Amino acid sequence: GNSVTQMEGPVTLSEEAFLTINCTYTATGYPSLFWYVQYPGEGLQLLLKATKADDKGSNKGFEATYRKETTSFHLEKGSVQVSDSAVYFCALRARGSYIPTFGRGTSLIVHP
Amino acid sequence: NAGVTQTPKFQVLKTGQSMTLQCAQDMNHEYMSWYRQDPGMGLRLIHYSVGAGITDQGEVPNGYNVSRSTTEDFPLRLLSAAPSQTSVYFCASSGATGIHNSPLHFGNGTRLTVT
Repeated sequence: GNSVTQMEGPVTLSEEAFLTINCTYTATGYPSLFWYVQYPGEGLQLLLKATKADDKGSNKGFEATYRKETTSFHLEKGSVQVSDSAVYFCALRARGSYIPTFGRGTSLIVHP
Repeated sequence: NAGVTQTPKFQVLKTGQSMTLQCAQDMNHEYMSWYRQDPGMGLRLIHYSVGAGITDQGEVPNGYNVSRSTTEDFPLRLLSAAPSQTSVYFCASSGATGIHNSPLHFGNGTRLTVT
């Protein structure tokens, strides 16, 4: 079956530090890959996505590249802000399947 | 543009009571789903629907019922509430055309406590 593995958190950083949250996946075929962000008290919202190998998704300074050879979709940001404190979820949606597969989520805490 | 609207935002029930969590979307999405989110457990799929009149079970369906009489609405019914159903519930939807490329749109959740 399909699966998504994310690094466990919490990840604690100082403001302006570099962020990487690792995500690897297992799926048949060529899934689409997504990062969602959940701010406290809110639902998940799409942060970025990539639909084929070597695509780079980007939004709000965050980036992730679809690496088929390593089955990875790591989330990066060059300089985090306190306002980036949230839980980040990696997810995939496989061709022919309605149901997305989510990772467990990684909590990010950014200190001033 | 409202997106996905969930009501109520908060609810407290006594064990054995029943209630319905409402979910409505205004994006004409065919796919709708319900998740529960518990600390350390991530998101777990309860039920989903791929169109009006069609529903199916997810990972944790026991104790919950759904129906899909219209494209817009997908209510979740708790038949007889139990403390184990204390959780945050999220409704999510997406288009079905090119569904594997479509992101989910989430509501802001219903925080349910069963005493």
